[in-house]
Amino acid sequence: QKEVEQDPGPLSVPEGAIVSLNCTYSNSAFQYFMWYRQYSRKGPELLMYTYSSGNKEDGRFTAQVDKSSKYISLFIRDSQPSDSATYLCAMSGTGGFKTIFGAGTRLFVKA
Amino acid sequence: KAGVTQTPRYLIKTRGQQVTLSCSPISGHRSVSWYQQTPGQGLQFLFEYFSETQRNKGNFPGRFSGRQFSNSRSEMNVSTLELGDSALYLCASSLGSGGPTGELFFGEGSRLTVL
Repeated sequence: QKEVEQDPGPLSVPEGAIVSLNCTYSNSAFQYFMWYRQYSRKGPELLMYTYSSGNKEDGRFTAQVDKSSKYISLFIRDSQPSDSATYLCAMSGTGGFKTIFGAGTRLFVKA
Repeated sequence: KAGVTQTPRYLIKTRGQQVTLSCSPISGHRSVSWYQQTPGQGLQFLFEYFSETQRNKGNFPGRFSGRQFSNSRSEMNVSTLELGDSALYLCASSLGSGGPTGELFFGEGSRLTVL
């Protein structure tokens, strides 16, 4: 079993839709939870960074962490064609010095 | 501020050869991590270096090795290449002081094709 599980998709939605992306994990030592976005032919870039459980909102993006269920989510409101990319969840623990990534979900937002 | 630079961007090798990839981190960043990205497996952690020391290692065979220099630049080497080593190799730098590596800043990767 992988430490981090993420449905690779692809996920196709119409412009303006609410998108929900999810990951599950097995290592209870993870404390830091991140979402990265990767455009084609580019390296990933950090989108959201959350410590422990709870919600974090940044514009159209909301990250949720439920440590009791070992489940994290990213919601995108009013999705735009420019949101079309691969979204990777990532997590790390204290003192672990390594960040583990999910497989990434490929998202297409149709105009 | 210059970003993470990886060279070469593209390369083609044949089975049995070896390859060396280079990564120059963001100025001031002392931690460099390497990842292998493939369509089937996603991003897989190779190793992480901080101040010339390997702090953590993923589950890759000994054919994969790396090092970090005093100026924080890093190289990774893959010996006796196999077809399955074809992938995008990503380097990421971070401040990496103490605890978790924090935000990773990625380069655009080196795309290796093994024939």
